Amino acid sequence: GAVVSQHPSWVICKSGTSVKIECRSLDFQATTMFWYRQFPKQSLMLMATSNEGSKATYEQGVEKDKFLINHASLTLSTLTVTSAHPEDSSFYICSAPRQGINEKLFFGSGTQLSVL
Amino acid sequence: GESVGLHLPTLSVQEGDNSIINCAYSNSASDYFIWYKQESGKGPQFIIDIRSNMDKRQGQRVTVLLNKTVKHLSLQIAATQPGDSAVYFCAEKSGSSNDYKLSFGAGTTVTVRA
Repeated sequence: GAVVSQHPSWVICKSGTSVKIECRSLDFQATTMFWYRQFPKQSLMLMATSNEGSKATYEQGVEKDKFLINHASLTLSTLTVTSAHPEDSSFYICSAPRQGINEKLFFGSGTQLSVL
Repeated sequence: GESVGLHLPTLSVQEGDNSIINCAYSNSASDYFIWYKQESGKGPQFIIDIRSNMDKRQGQRVTVLLNKTVKHLSLQIAATQPGDSAVYFCAEKSGSSNDYKLSFGAGTTVTVRA
Protein backbone atom coordinates (compact mmCIF):
# COMPACT_ATOMS: atom_id res chain seq x y z
CA GLY A 1 0.00 0.00 0.00
CA ALA A 2 0.88 3.64 -0.28
CA VAL A 3 3.36 4.93 2.24
CA VAL A 4 3.09 8.56 1.14
CA SER A 5 -0.38 10.02 0.77
CA GLN A 6 -1.02 13.14 -1.28
CA HIS A 7 -4.29 15.06 -1.32
CA PRO A 8 -6.16 16.15 -3.32
CA SER A 9 -5.44 14.10 -6.42
CA TRP A 10 -6.84 16.81 -8.62
CA VAL A 11 -8.13 20.33 -8.17
CA ILE A 12 -9.63 22.97 -10.42
CA CYS A 13 -9.57 26.56 -9.27
CA LYS A 14 -10.17 30.06 -10.53
CA SER A 15 -7.34 32.38 -11.34
CA GLY A 16 -6.27 34.41 -8.31
CA THR A 17 -7.27 31.85 -5.69
CA SER A 18 -4.93 29.78 -3.52
CA VAL A 19 -4.71 26.02 -3.43
CA LYS A 20 -3.25 23.85 -0.70
CA ILE A 21 -1.80 20.40 -1.36
CA GLU A 22 -1.03 18.00 1.49
CA CYS A 23 1.63 15.32 1.65
CA ARG A 24 1.64 12.80 4.48
CA SER A 25 4.01 10.01 5.36
CA LEU A 26 1.76 7.22 6.56
CA ASP A 27 3.88 4.84 8.61
CA PHE A 28 7.11 6.69 9.12
CA GLN A 29 8.38 10.07 10.15
CA ALA A 30 9.99 12.36 7.61
CA THR A 31 12.04 15.36 8.68
CA THR A 32 12.49 16.17 5.01
CA MET A 33 10.04 16.02 2.13
CA PHE A 34 10.44 17.11 -1.45
CA TRP A 35 8.07 18.86 -3.82
CA TYR A 36 8.28 18.35 -7.57
CA ARG A 37 6.49 19.81 -10.51
CA GLN A 38 5.88 17.97 -13.76
CA PHE A 39 4.54 19.34 -17.02
CA PRO A 40 2.97 17.00 -19.60
CA LYS A 41 5.46 14.61 -21.18
CA GLN A 42 8.31 16.11 -19.19
CA SER A 43 10.44 15.01 -16.31
CA LEU A 44 10.10 15.88 -12.66
CA MET A 45 11.59 19.19 -11.64
CA LEU A 46 12.48 19.68 -7.99
CA MET A 47 10.85 22.81 -6.62
CA ALA A 48 11.83 22.78 -2.98
CA THR A 49 12.91 20.77 0.01
CA SER A 50 10.54 20.91 2.96
CA ASN A 51 12.24 20.79 6.34
CA GLU A 52 10.38 20.00 9.54
CA GLY A 53 10.73 22.81 12.03
CA SER A 54 12.58 25.17 9.71
CA LYS A 55 12.23 27.05 6.46
CA ALA A 56 11.97 25.25 3.16
CA THR A 57 14.87 25.32 0.74
CA TYR A 58 13.81 26.44 -2.73
CA GLU A 59 15.48 25.60 -6.01
CA GLN A 60 16.72 28.37 -8.20
CA GLY A 61 13.93 30.07 -10.08
CA VAL A 62 11.13 28.93 -7.78
CA GLU A 63 9.25 31.81 -6.17
CA LYS A 64 9.08 31.41 -2.40
CA ASP A 65 6.09 33.70 -2.04
CA LYS A 66 4.26 31.92 -4.80
CA PHE A 67 4.76 28.40 -3.52
CA LEU A 68 4.45 28.40 0.24
CA ILE A 69 5.69 25.29 2.00
CA ASN A 70 4.96 24.34 5.58
CA HIS A 71 6.31 21.26 7.31
CA ALA A 72 4.21 21.38 10.44
CA SER A 73 4.91 17.91 11.76
CA LEU A 74 7.08 14.89 11.11
CA THR A 75 4.37 13.38 8.92
CA LEU A 76 2.88 16.35 7.10
CA SER A 77 4.11 18.88 4.57
CA THR A 78 1.86 21.25 2.67
CA LEU A 79 2.39 23.20 -0.54
CA THR A 80 0.18 26.23 -1.11
CA VAL A 81 0.05 27.73 -4.57
CA THR A 82 -0.88 31.34 -3.91
CA SER A 83 -2.74 33.57 -6.33
CA ALA A 84 -2.78 30.80 -8.89
CA HIS A 85 -2.64 31.58 -12.58
CA PRO A 86 -3.15 29.33 -15.61
CA GLU A 87 0.60 28.92 -16.03
CA ASP A 88 0.69 27.27 -12.59
CA SER A 89 -1.40 24.43 -13.98
CA SER A 90 0.75 21.34 -13.60
CA PHE A 91 1.16 17.99 -11.89
CA TYR A 92 2.63 18.44 -8.41
CA ILE A 93 4.24 15.50 -6.66
CA CYS A 94 5.68 15.14 -3.19
CA SER A 95 8.14 12.59 -1.90
CA ALA A 96 9.51 11.53 1.45
CA PRO A 97 12.51 9.37 2.33
CA ARG A 98 11.87 6.44 4.62
CA GLN A 99 15.19 5.88 6.27
CA GLY A 100 16.41 2.77 7.96
CA ILE A 101 17.59 -0.64 6.89
CA ASN A 102 15.58 -0.59 3.69
CA GLU A 103 15.66 3.13 3.07
CA LYS A 104 13.92 4.42 0.01
CA LEU A 105 12.38 7.57 -1.35
CA PHE A 106 8.63 7.21 -1.78
CA PHE A 107 6.40 9.40 -3.88
CA GLY A 108 2.86 10.53 -3.43
CA SER A 109 0.28 9.92 -6.14
CA GLY A 110 0.46 13.49 -7.37
CA THR A 111 -1.97 16.39 -7.63
CA GLN A 112 -3.17 17.67 -10.98
CA LEU A 113 -3.82 21.40 -10.66
CA SER A 114 -5.84 23.16 -13.32
CA VAL A 115 -6.21 26.92 -13.02
CA LEU A 116 -8.97 28.47 -15.10
CA GLY B 1 24.26 22.31 -14.11
CA GLU B 2 24.89 18.61 -14.54
CA SER B 3 21.87 16.39 -15.01
CA VAL B 4 20.82 12.90 -15.79
CA GLY B 5 19.78 12.26 -19.34
CA LEU B 6 18.11 9.40 -21.15
CA HIS B 7 18.68 7.89 -24.55
CA LEU B 8 15.69 7.19 -26.78
CA PRO B 9 12.59 8.98 -25.50
CA THR B 10 10.33 6.15 -26.71
CA LEU B 11 10.61 2.39 -26.86
CA SER B 12 8.17 0.00 -28.47
CA VAL B 13 8.56 -3.65 -27.51
CA GLN B 14 6.69 -6.82 -28.32
CA GLU B 15 5.01 -8.52 -25.40
CA GLY B 16 7.25 -11.25 -24.08
CA ASP B 17 10.46 -9.70 -25.37
CA ASN B 18 13.09 -8.13 -23.16
CA SER B 19 13.31 -4.34 -22.84
CA ILE B 20 16.42 -2.29 -22.32
CA ILE B 21 16.15 1.33 -21.24
CA ASN B 22 19.27 3.43 -21.14
CA CYS B 23 20.34 6.40 -19.12
CA ALA B 24 23.43 8.60 -19.25
CA TYR B 25 24.51 10.69 -16.30
CA SER B 26 27.12 13.39 -16.13
CA ASN B 27 27.81 13.86 -12.42
CA SER B 28 30.74 11.62 -11.56
CA ALA B 29 30.07 12.29 -7.86
CA SER B 30 26.69 10.56 -8.00
CA ASP B 31 26.71 7.53 -5.74
CA TYR B 32 23.15 6.27 -5.83
CA PHE B 33 20.85 5.62 -8.76
CA ILE B 34 17.21 4.70 -8.91
CA TRP B 35 14.80 3.63 -11.62
CA TYR B 36 11.20 4.74 -11.35
CA LYS B 37 8.12 3.78 -13.32
CA GLN B 38 5.38 6.35 -13.79
CA GLU B 39 1.97 5.53 -15.15
CA SER B 40 -0.26 8.24 -16.51
CA GLY B 41 -1.63 10.53 -13.82
CA LYS B 42 0.27 8.83 -11.01
CA GLY B 43 3.39 9.45 -8.98
CA PRO B 44 6.66 7.62 -9.70
CA GLN B 45 6.89 4.08 -8.42
CA PHE B 46 10.21 2.68 -7.21
CA ILE B 47 11.52 -0.18 -9.35
CA ILE B 48 15.10 -0.84 -8.36
CA ASP B 49 18.15 1.00 -7.12
CA ILE B 50 21.90 0.57 -7.21
CA ARG B 51 24.79 2.14 -5.38
CA SER B 52 27.99 3.19 -7.05
CA ASN B 53 29.99 0.40 -5.42
CA MET B 54 28.04 -2.13 -7.49
CA ASP B 55 27.76 -2.70 -11.22
CA LYS B 56 24.73 -4.95 -11.34
CA ARG B 57 21.66 -5.59 -9.28
CA GLN B 58 18.74 -7.86 -9.99
CA GLY B 59 15.16 -7.75 -8.90
CA GLN B 60 12.04 -9.50 -9.98
CA ARG B 61 12.15 -9.43 -13.81
CA VAL B 62 14.37 -6.35 -13.69
CA THR B 63 18.10 -5.84 -13.74
CA VAL B 64 19.99 -2.59 -13.39
CA LEU B 65 23.49 -2.24 -14.78
CA LEU B 66 25.85 0.55 -13.86
CA ASN B 67 28.95 1.45 -15.85
CA LYS B 68 30.76 4.18 -13.98
CA THR B 69 33.53 4.38 -16.56
CA VAL B 70 31.18 5.76 -19.20
CA LYS B 71 28.58 7.06 -16.74
CA HIS B 72 25.85 4.84 -18.09
CA LEU B 73 22.92 3.17 -16.40
CA SER B 74 20.46 0.71 -17.91
CA LEU B 75 17.29 -1.04 -16.88
CA GLN B 76 16.49 -4.42 -18.33
CA ILE B 77 12.98 -5.79 -18.10
CA ALA B 78 12.59 -9.47 -18.83
CA ALA B 79 9.52 -10.86 -20.59
CA THR B 80 7.87 -7.47 -20.96
CA GLN B 81 4.18 -7.42 -20.16
CA PRO B 82 1.40 -4.96 -21.11
CA GLY B 83 1.44 -3.68 -17.54
CA ASP B 84 5.00 -2.53 -18.08
CA SER B 85 3.80 0.20 -20.43
CA ALA B 86 4.72 3.46 -18.70
CA VAL B 87 7.31 6.20 -18.59
CA TYR B 88 10.58 5.15 -16.98
CA PHE B 89 12.89 7.62 -15.29
CA CYS B 90 16.35 7.19 -13.95
CA ALA B 91 17.37 9.40 -11.07
CA GLU B 92 20.67 10.10 -9.38
CA LYS B 93 21.72 11.28 -5.98
CA SER B 94 25.05 12.82 -5.22
CA GLY B 95 24.61 14.35 -1.78
CA SER B 96 25.25 12.89 1.64
CA SER B 97 23.66 9.65 2.75
CA ASN B 98 20.86 11.63 4.43
CA ASP B 99 20.21 13.84 1.45
CA TYR B 100 17.55 12.42 -0.86
CA LYS B 101 17.55 15.27 -3.32
CA LEU B 102 17.31 13.55 -6.69
CA SER B 103 17.92 14.67 -10.25
CA PHE B 104 15.68 13.02 -12.81
CA GLY B 105 16.34 12.20 -16.41
CA ALA B 106 14.00 13.07 -19.24
CA GLY B 107 12.16 9.74 -19.22
CA THR B 108 11.58 6.95 -21.73
CA THR B 109 8.07 6.02 -22.76
CA VAL B 110 7.74 2.26 -23.09
CA THR B 111 4.87 0.88 -25.14
CA VAL B 112 4.24 -2.85 -25.12
CA ARG B 113 2.68 -4.31 -28.26
CA ALA B 114 0.35 -7.26 -27.83
